[in-house]
Amino acid sequence: DTEVTQTPKHLVMGMTNKKSLKCEQHMGHRAMYWYKQKAKKPPELMFVYSYEKLSINESVPSRFSPECPNSSLLNLHLHALQPEDSALYLCASSLAGALDNEQFFGPGTRLTVL
Amino acid sequence: KQEVTQIPAALSVPEGENLVLNCSFTDSAIYNLQWFRQDPGKGLTSLLLIQSSQREQTSGRLNASLDKSSGRSTLYIAASQPGDSATYLCAVNTGGFKTIFGAGTRLFVKA
Repeated sequence: DTEVTQTPKHLVMGMTNKKSLKCEQHMGHRAMYWYKQKAKKPPELMFVYSYEKLSINESVPSRFSPECPNSSLLNLHLHALQPEDSALYLCASSLAGALDNEQFFGPGTRLTVL
Repeated sequence: KQEVTQIPAALSVPEGENLVLNCSFTDSAIYNLQWFRQDPGKGLTSLLLIQSSQREQTSGRLNASLDKSSGRSTLYIAASQPGDSATYLCAVNTGGFKTIFGAGTRLFVKA
């Protein structure tokens, strides 16, 4: 299984809502990533988990809260978002600690904040 | 600070043409470079990964080269097809899981 899955595919939420994005992989990868991508821009790294521990937080606002409950799952909890947070949120995974850590991406969640 | 640039930003070619996409980076201290394809509104598909010790990688009609000393990589696509139309992104791994993406080249292959 060389697939990264993400749910939901689309999400529309108000600024006062609380929602979560989910990412799952069964490739035995121990590094998992969240990226944010705005239209016609490259992906921007948000968070990296390595062996279920937060390894990188790229100064992301606290209204985004990541969680890695086990080696196969990665969540992104959303609360009090702003309209400018509307974007495609991509999850990726790779072997941790390997120099050739090829990243595999999921299809993304298209988030719209009203 | 590592910066990744891709030229051209957009490219339109007739079907069957061979083409080259360019990626340059400012700091040669990279662990690897990865080429991706992205269709509109979709996730990224990994095409090729070149480790810092390698010069090139091939997969089917794709060939990627890496010249670390000059800070350049190229993606060669042979015999282009309309199905190759997509945005192609290069990304450099600077170590510690940090990945910096270029802005991409939007490719359109005309039938």
